[in-house]
Amino acid sequence: EPEVTQTPSHQVTQMGQEVILRCVPISNHLYFYWYRQILGQKVEFLVSFYNNEISEKSEIFDDQFSVERPDGSNFTLKIRSTKLEDSAMYFCASSTGTGAPRVKNIQYFGAGTRLSVL
Amino acid sequence: LAKTTQPISMDSYEGQEVNITCSHNNIATNDYITWYQQFPSQGPRFIIQGYKTKVTNEVASLFIPADRKSSTLSLPRVSLSDTAVYYCLVGFIPISSGSARQLTFGSGTQLTVLP
Repeated sequence: EPEVTQTPSHQVTQMGQEVILRCVPISNHLYFYWYRQILGQKVEFLVSFYNNEISEKSEIFDDQFSVERPDGSNFTLKIRSTKLEDSAMYFCASSTGTGAPRVKNIQYFGAGTRLSVL
Repeated sequence: LAKTTQPISMDSYEGQEVNITCSHNNIATNDYITWYQQFPSQGPRFIIQGYKTKVTNEVASLFIPADRKSSTLSLPRVSLSDTAVYYCLVGFIPISSGSARQLTFGSGTQLTVLP
């Protein structure tokens, strides 16, 4: 079964450093997302991406965050200057959307990257 | 977005059928009901989706009454590996490409299956 893959599984960084979280979405999917989950809390939406641009973003996704699809397979989330409160699991997801009617927005999630900011 | 209410936790024993009910009183006409499952330290995983009546797949069944103000996820004969958090999500499904929607997760129901 095709799956979303995320690397690394665990990233440790110092406060103020830049980190890049990487994702390889399912190959025929067109919509890409990042979510995060702080330990013990809800899964929160960060950003969605379609046709090489951001579709929606939450208030969490401020100027410190950026996303990019540098090639045909990778989708990255960059945090420019990490803060302690950025420590969380970050999930990448993707969904199809090939023009069929009643696209059901079923999103497939990766296993996540645990980001620890020290 | 329709607000959903589901029990915080449930316990069950192996081999039993488990029913988790979600209330969504202000569901809109265009909203679909989707359930996800999440194991510790993993991403949410799609289980089932429906609009009305009953939907069944190889994993679960989803029962939706005529007024659609609630839905029940049914897991037949649970095993220890079904211990997870189950999320009920209600939202608009786009009818054309180019309008994907974020998912809004609540707190979910922690299902614990006991031996």
